[in-house]
Amino acid sequence: EPEVTQTPSHQVTQMGQEVILRCVPISNHLYFYWYRQILGQKVEFLVSFYNNEISEKSEIFDDQFSVERPDGSNFTLKIRSTKLEDSAMYFCASRREGQPQHFGDGTRLSIL
Amino acid sequence: GESVGLHLPTLSVQEGDNSIINCAYSNSASDYFIWYKQESGKGPQFIIDIRSNMDKRQGQRVTVLLNKTVKHLSLQIAATQPGDSAVYFCAENTGDDYKLSFGAGTTVTVRA
Repeated sequence: EPEVTQTPSHQVTQMGQEVILRCVPISNHLYFYWYRQILGQKVEFLVSFYNNEISEKSEIFDDQFSVERPDGSNFTLKIRSTKLEDSAMYFCASRREGQPQHFGDGTRLSIL
Repeated sequence: GESVGLHLPTLSVQEGDNSIINCAYSNSASDYFIWYKQESGKGPQFIIDIRSNMDKRQGQRVTVLLNKTVKHLSLQIAATQPGDSAVYFCAENTGDDYKLSFGAGTTVTVRA
């Protein structure tokens, strides 16, 4: 069964550094999402992406965040200047029209 | 406040018994609901979904019930197995873009 894949599984970064989290959505999916989950808390929506543009974003997704689909297979989340509070699990999800979202296994981001 | 929440944070169930996990939502405009299962170190895994024009949907060993009058959603797992031990989240969609709002999660532990 096709899966959403995310790399790396764990990323450790110094505060203030830029980080890029990578996702390969399921190949025939057209809608893409990023969520985050702070340890012990619920999953929170960050951003949705369709037709090469952001369709919706949350308050968390401020100017330090950006997303990109650089080619036909990758979907990336960039944090320009990381803060301690950015430490969390970051999940990528994708879906087809009218279908539920399928999630990857996440990237654990640790900011030191 | 939260638009989606769960009544109980933990549920312990004997192997072979049926499990019922509850979820309350507050947004009457929500039209689509999903149950996800999250095992340790993994991303949310789709279990079953239901649209607001239905009140019941069955899958393999799982049933979702939707009561729009009281804004309540439940997941029933028949003949619970050790592999069902996980955190279960309900999620709702309130917009065109199918961004999901997650509840806090219920941890299900299956006793042998």
